[in-house]
Amino acid sequence: GAGVSQSPSNKVTEKGKDVELRCDPISGHTALYWYRQSLGQGLEFLIYFQGNSAPDKSGLPSDRFSAERTGGSVSTLTIQRTQQEDSAVYLCASSQVLAGPFGGADTQYFGPGTRLTVL
Amino acid sequence: LAKTTQPISMDSYEGQEVNITCSHNNIATNDYITWYQQFPSQGPRFIIQGYKTKVTNEVASLFIPADRKSSTLSLPRVSLSDTAVYYCLVGDDGADSNYQLIWGAGTKLIIKP
Repeated sequence: GAGVSQSPSNKVTEKGKDVELRCDPISGHTALYWYRQSLGQGLEFLIYFQGNSAPDKSGLPSDRFSAERTGGSVSTLTIQRTQQEDSAVYLCASSQVLAGPFGGADTQYFGPGTRLTVL
Repeated sequence: LAKTTQPISMDSYEGQEVNITCSHNNIATNDYITWYQQFPSQGPRFIIQGYKTKVTNEVASLFIPADRKSSTLSLPRVSLSDTAVYYCLVGDDGADSNYQLIWGAGTKLIIKP
């Protein structure tokens, strides 16, 4: 079946502009994650959604970042008033069960990412 | 927050066994340890997962001691195509009620001919 898809694959924007990044998870996966990865760095957890529960936003770096997940499926990560330090690859992943204290093990399936460049 | 520690980089040669260790303090009782592989310009890909003792699949083995404060990914007879960054992932209860996923910084493995 289809994997996780993200769009656009690349986005170049000017400082101060808003951007929207889209993630289409694997059908039936209830958990969705957003990560940020700067060049040569590890993954920085941003936010996760589990079903229709309120998302955990504690990983978002500032109030310029927000995310939505409509209908328990597609998710949009929005960055307002972009800054140069926002330049990174933004990765989305989905899984059937949220890992951690609420459930057992899960496997995260990642999309190819969106490379964001803020000039 | 728990902290995971991995070697920044490792080199090995084709045909050798490679072991990468991740340290993870404050791992929660119900958490699993998962290892992922990432190639350039791609998202991470699941390799193996375990809770305790030893787990083996068709590509790797995972060794977890009784205290679960570390884990070792073992890649048997590596090839050039195993050159990638390897991440360990554990859940973390953190100091408050928010649950976060704490990824290691990744180990860049370079396999030489």
